[in-house]
Amino acid sequence: QQPVQSPQAVILREGEDAVINCSSSKALYSVHWYRQKHGEAPVFLMILLKGGEQKGHEKISASFNEKKQQSSLYLTASQLSYSGTYFCGTEHLRGGSSNTGKLIFGQGTTLQVKP
Amino acid sequence: NAGVMQNPRHLVRRRGQEARLRCSPMKGHSHVYWYRQLPEEGLKFMVYLQKENIIDESGMPKERFSAEFPKEGPSILRIQQVVRGDSAAYFCASSPDRDDYEQYFGPGTRLTVT
Repeated sequence: QQPVQSPQAVILREGEDAVINCSSSKALYSVHWYRQKHGEAPVFLMILLKGGEQKGHEKISASFNEKKQQSSLYLTASQLSYSGTYFCGTEHLRGGSSNTGKLIFGQGTTLQVKP
Repeated sequence: NAGVMQNPRHLVRRRGQEARLRCSPMKGHSHVYWYRQLPEEGLKFMVYLQKENIIDESGMPKERFSAEFPKEGPSILRIQQVVRGDSAAYFCASSPDRDDYEQYFGPGTRLTVT
């Protein structure tokens, strides 16, 4: 039931791009992306609802493929501040089309951006 | 607009004692979620509450753990007779009335059981 994130860890140089993937074995209602720095709370990045939409937020964007039950987070021209652990949280469909409300998080992808 | 507030931020309890963790959601938010994060691990869902109702407690251990979100006041996560394995960061998140909104996390309570 827990979504699978890949890769587990990424090391980048400033200015490079990265893609983090999140796959679920269950039908998804929504996918939420968070970034967490060590010892801090997760910070909300974006939410994607079923419908296969794509969202952007400065140099961070994400896509949601409902049929494949996958989401990808795109980080372009990475900055030092992007370092942290990225989690996808998936919200599943209950019976019918209603959502459950709770988020099931992946195991996280650790991103390190070096100067 | 104040964010999600949790207190205490750090809590030390001896084995067998009780731990009470408090969460005040963002203004206008009536949905509260509790998550537990063990060191170097991801977030695990525990319980989802709306005012005076437990909506989903499928992630709560069957014994010693309980949660409430009264009509007035913060949501409380209560752990009775704590054991070393309860040591973790406990995060609360809140979302607005409609349930297709993002969840905003509080700073967490770091519980250490000695």
